[in-house]
Order: sequence, then structure tokens, then C-alpha cells
Amino acid sequence: DQQVKQNSPSLSVQEGRISILNCDYTNSMFDYFLWYKKYPAEGPTFLISISSIKDKNEDGRFTVFLNKSAKHLSLHIVPSQPGDSAVYFCAATGYGGSQGNLIFGKGTKLSVKP
Amino acid sequence: DAGITQSPRHKVTETGTPVTLRCHQTENHRYMYWYRQDPGHGLRLIHYSYGVKDTDKGEVSDGYSVSRSKTEDFLLTLESATSSQTSVYFCAISEAPGGIYGYTFGSGTRLTVV
Repeated sequence: DQQVKQNSPSLSVQEGRISILNCDYTNSMFDYFLWYKKYPAEGPTFLISISSIKDKNEDGRFTVFLNKSAKHLSLHIVPSQPGDSAVYFCAATGYGGSQGNLIFGKGTKLSVKP
Repeated sequence: DAGITQSPRHKVTETGTPVTLRCHQTENHRYMYWYRQDPGHGLRLIHYSYGVKDTDKGEVSDGYSVSRSKTEDFLLTLESATSSQTSVYFCAISEAPGGIYGYTFGSGTRLTVV
């Protein structure tokens, strides 16, 4: 049973517009969420994270929003650039002394067209 | 990626042969992980380690074993390779449990079982 779901396998946007990538989770014990970005032939790299005590975290062009009641988070990229074209993975974990590991979604492939 | 290397980067092997993939880190992180990435499945945890000689199973551990005799090395062994184990394998390291500080991933090993 998937605990972290990214229901859109792909997304295409125009350069300069907003990209919105969505992620849903089912485990209410998750309390920390991360987004990773992956280019072909490279390992995933950390992009941005958010704790469950917050509903928004911003880092430059990237903002993550968390809606705990809906068990939903989203990553906004504004403005989108061609270099943002990559696969984006949502991940979740519980902490507070647990041995919980990161659980990843299946990923969303973002294509930003010039 | 800085501080974590995987070897080999590419390997082709025959069905039924044993294969060992190596992950080496220079960060002195306690936690190490092996993931596999497959189309339509995202990143799935195979095994992880929370210290020297301390390992545990992940979501897709069948057919795999691991060993960690030193902090810096985490080995993944396919005991008898099958075509279903054709995949890209990623090693990751973390300084804390639960992934709250994120993982650092290696560049991956592309394994083809023929």
C-alpha cells in the first residue's frame, strides 16, 4: 500500500510560468516531508523540506505547502526555468527518535519548455 | 556526489550469478541505505544500516543481502541475480535517523541482468 502518492507521472509547463507538483500521503505519523530533484544519470538531490508544525516553507523560487488535514503537500516553482526539467520525488518520514526511513513517492517528471 | 561513491557505475551480469555493489562514504555518517529505482515505482528501500554490523530490511529486500563491516562501506549483494533485479541502485547516507536532515545520494549503479 502506497504511503506517499504522486498521482501525476508527468507535468509540462512553459518557461516563466508556475509549476505545481502534488503529493498525498496516508500515514498520519509522518511529520516531516521533503522534495528531491533528480536529473538523468545522477542521484537525487535534496531540494526543500517542511516540518508538520508549519504550513509553508520557501526557498528562492521553490515553496512547499503542507495541508495536514488533507494529508497533502505541494511544491510550487515560480518562475519555472528549463533547468528545472527533472523528476521530482516527494518523501515523508516520522522522527522523534524513531528509526523511520524516508518513504518516497513514484515521482513526477517535470518538463519546462522554452 | 561529494563524500559518497558507488561502484561500479554500470554492470551487466548473467542470470544466476552473484553480484556485489559497493557504497563508500567519507562523511562518517552512521546511517546508510540502498534503494532501487524502477519506472512506475519510484525509489524503494532495499536494506539499511544504522551502524557497523547493524542492518535491517526494507520494503523490497528479497533476493538481496547487505554487509557493513566498516562505517564507510556498505555492500549490497544480489545472491543469484534475476532479470527482475535489473534496475538502477542508489546508495544514500544520513547523519540522523528518520531522514529529517535529508539523505545524500550517490550517483547510482545501473545493473542489467541478462
